[in-house]
Amino acid sequence: ILNVEQSPQSLHVQEGDSTNFTCSFPSSNFYALHWYRWETAKSPEALFVMTLNGDEKKKGRISATLNTKEGYSYLYIKGSQPEDSATYLCAHSGAGSYQLTFGKGTKLSVIP
Amino acid sequence: DTGVSQDPRHKITKRGQNVTFRCDPISEHNRLYWYRQTLGQGPEFLTYFQNEAQLEKSRLLSDRFSAERPKGSFSTLEIQRTEQGDSAMYLCASSLNRDGYTFGSGTRLTVV
Repeated sequence: ILNVEQSPQSLHVQEGDSTNFTCSFPSSNFYALHWYRWETAKSPEALFVMTLNGDEKKKGRISATLNTKEGYSYLYIKGSQPEDSATYLCAHSGAGSYQLTFGKGTKLSVIP
Repeated sequence: DTGVSQDPRHKITKRGQNVTFRCDPISEHNRLYWYRQTLGQGPEFLTYFQNEAQLEKSRLLSDRFSAERPKGSFSTLEIQRTEQGDSAMYLCASSLNRDGYTFGSGTRLTVV
């Protein structure tokens, strides 16, 4: 059984602070690691899909790294803004399966 | 294309009633997925279709749950004899391959 863990569970930061979250996953049977941002009353928005060990991806002020050998991914937000407030989910997909296994998410609140 | 659409957005039902949800995927996506999110948890996989064929089903999908995708386009998820434990957000997603899943904004079910 796959187990995807995210930390912290929730986070409050001041506007302008930089922050990061962790996603850990089983390193065996790995195909891809997905990051999503989910705002209340909206659909989860895909941020990144990473497949290769050492992958680093960037989208504006948000970036992510992947270590498949040790089974973790970091998501970084530089200069947090109130509109970054959301739940950030990571999800693992294994070889041979189309299902995603999600962590419980990190709820970020950015205080103006 | 406006993305993945789910209907209804909210559903309140009495325990023991049957409910049906609908999902319209992105038109060129041949794969469709159902997930369920309960309070404090990440989304959990329920089932997956490739075209009209249901290829994977989770153990979470008890015999009270049935999903169909009769023409390989829209899908329905029916829950018979609803229980309070069925209260959750039901998410639908679609994809063309394993690298990009697009989610709808979900149907929130409350069983009273």
